[in-house]
This record gives sequence, C-alpha cells and structure tokens, in this order.
Amino acid sequence: DGGITQSPKYLFRKEGQNVTLSCEQNLNHDAMYWYRQDPGQGLRLIYYSQIVNDFQKGDIAEGYSVSREKKESFPLTVTSAQKNPTAFYLCASSSDRAYEQYFGPGTRLTVT
Amino acid sequence: DAKTTQPNSMESNEEEPVHLPCNHSTISGTDYIHWYRQLPSQGPEYVIHGLTSNVNNRMASLAIAEDRKSSTLILHRATLRDAAVYYCIPRIQGAQKLVFGQGTRLTINP
Repeated sequence: DGGITQSPKYLFRKEGQNVTLSCEQNLNHDAMYWYRQDPGQGLRLIYYSQIVNDFQKGDIAEGYSVSREKKESFPLTVTSAQKNPTAFYLCASSSDRAYEQYFGPGTRLTVT
Repeated sequence: DAKTTQPNSMESNEEEPVHLPCNHSTISGTDYIHWYRQLPSQGPEYVIHGLTSNVNNRMASLAIAEDRKSSTLILHRATLRDAAVYYCIPRIQGAQKLVFGQGTRLTINP
C-alpha cells in the first residue's frame, strides 16, 4: 500500500540528547514536510523540501535540522538546542503543487 | 497568510447534517480554501478544497460565500467516525505550506 510511515510511534529521550525522527513515503511525491503539534493547538511548519537535496525553513525551524538525500526519505533531527521538544511530530508529502498533503501517523516525542 | 475564525467546538447527532462555518475575511482573490480534519491521535487528512464555486466530493460539500469571506463545510449525514478537529485553511495558489489554526472540535452524539 502507498503511504507515509513514521517511526517510532512513541519516543522518549533525556534532555540534552539529539534525536532523529524517521519519515518515509512511497507515493513518489517530490515535496515533504515536517510539522509540530502541541496539545490543543494546530500544526506548525518546521521544515519543508520541494526536491531532493533542497529544503527550506518553516515557521519554527530553530533547534531542528533535516536532510533530503533521497526522494522517499526526510528525517528530522531534534537537537538539544530546541527549548521545548516534547510534542507530536507529523510528516507529510505532496506531489508538486498538488492541492492535497498526505500525512503520516505521527511520532509522539517526550523529553524529560 | 489569511486569518481564519472557526468555532472552538460544535456538537451534532449521528445521521444528521453538520454545517461547520469558517470566516476568512482577509482572503485574497487567488487563495484556495482547504479543509482538513484530524481524528484523535492521528495525522490530518484532506477533506475538500475550493476557490469560488461550491464543491462536492464523497466526504463532504463546501459552500463558499459569494464574497469569499466565509465558507461552510457540510457533512450531509454525520457518523461517529466524523468526530474530529476540522481545520479551514486558506492557501495561496501554488504555495506549498499549509497554515493550521486551532480548528473546530466536532463531537457526534449517538
């Protein structure tokens, strides 16, 4: 089945550690996105990539980094510089200039 | 980005129609109006989008006001599976990003 996978579903880390969240898609989409969601809030864009080896900062990129070495993969690293990393992280993809973004199931990160 | 105003929450009964309103008075002439919904603990899913005229698909209908300052998402016959947070999102034509507000939490009573 085509879709977006994110792993793991739940992730626990100690403060001060970097952590990488996985996002893979087999939809052959060019564009991929990372969003963050805090409890009771809407989604906020962290980074997006329109093509391999290229990505742009979203609204809240500080403390995060990404790479796009392959079309199907867009991992997000939450660094120790991110002040409040505990959140629900959602990855999405879309074909070029398409109207619809497809979302993965999300990774819930807890940092203590 | 155009600002949107949606009720924080709404409630309806199973098998009845639901009308979810959205005000977007600062929308520009080329912004599309998108609706997504998010079920508990899941990623959002696309529902419908439109520009000027009303739109229908298998999930819902979208009624857009003539002045485009507001729109209404219509679920014709709500089921318990329609309980979700519904987001109304103006989107600049050709733009990649979606800007999510807080949405409307829809509760469906059996």
